[in-house]
Amino acid sequence: DAMVIQNPRYQVTQFGKPVTLSCSQTLNHNVMYWYQQKSSQAPKLLFHYYDKDFNNEADTPDNFQSRRPNTSFCFLDIRSPGLGDAAMYLCATSRGQGVNSPLHFGNGTRLTVT
Amino acid sequence: AQSVTQLGSHVSVSEGALVLLRCNYSSSVPPYLFWYVQYPNQGLQLLLKYTSAATLVKGINGFEAEFKKSETSFHLTKPSAHMSDAAEYFCAVSKGQAGTALIFGKGTTLSVSS
Repeated sequence: DAMVIQNPRYQVTQFGKPVTLSCSQTLNHNVMYWYQQKSSQAPKLLFHYYDKDFNNEADTPDNFQSRRPNTSFCFLDIRSPGLGDAAMYLCATSRGQGVNSPLHFGNGTRLTVT
Repeated sequence: AQSVTQLGSHVSVSEGALVLLRCNYSSSVPPYLFWYVQYPNQGLQLLLKYTSAATLVKGINGFEAEFKKSETSFHLTKPSAHMSDAAEYFCAVSKGQAGTALIFGKGTTLSVSS
């Protein structure tokens, strides 16, 4: 089945140690998104790619970076994780950017910072 | 700027009872509105969406929502709750006009008792 896959499901990193989360998709969608979801809070959009065009949300900390080397893969890099970065990170895709292009979410990566 | 407010972080119903999850929106442009469901340790799944066609929108699993412009509301209902409906539900609004980047509410946890 076509899907959005996030690896790993659970990631533990140390305070200040760089970490990379990965997302792959077999849907051949043009748009890929990264959301941060802290406990009992709404998913918050960090950034998205439309093909190779990167769109950063204004309030996304500089500590968060993203790469999209090809259509299928997108990475979230946290350069120096702090305790406040512990969260569920959700990757999503959509074919286009119209409302008739619904988001398809992966199952998320839960990040713990020790 | 667009935003959504979900009234009630927790809703408890008995199996077979009416489900009502409340969502109010704020938008400077005609909104596109969505409801998503999230089961434990999974990503978000689209239940239904409003895209300015019919004001009563039917979704999956027997859920529906009604867009009421006069009340700036988009409440989610289901006539008869099932145990499998227990999950977290998020209301969302399109960030830009007709865009797919979404702004989510804080979510409502639905509990269903037998």
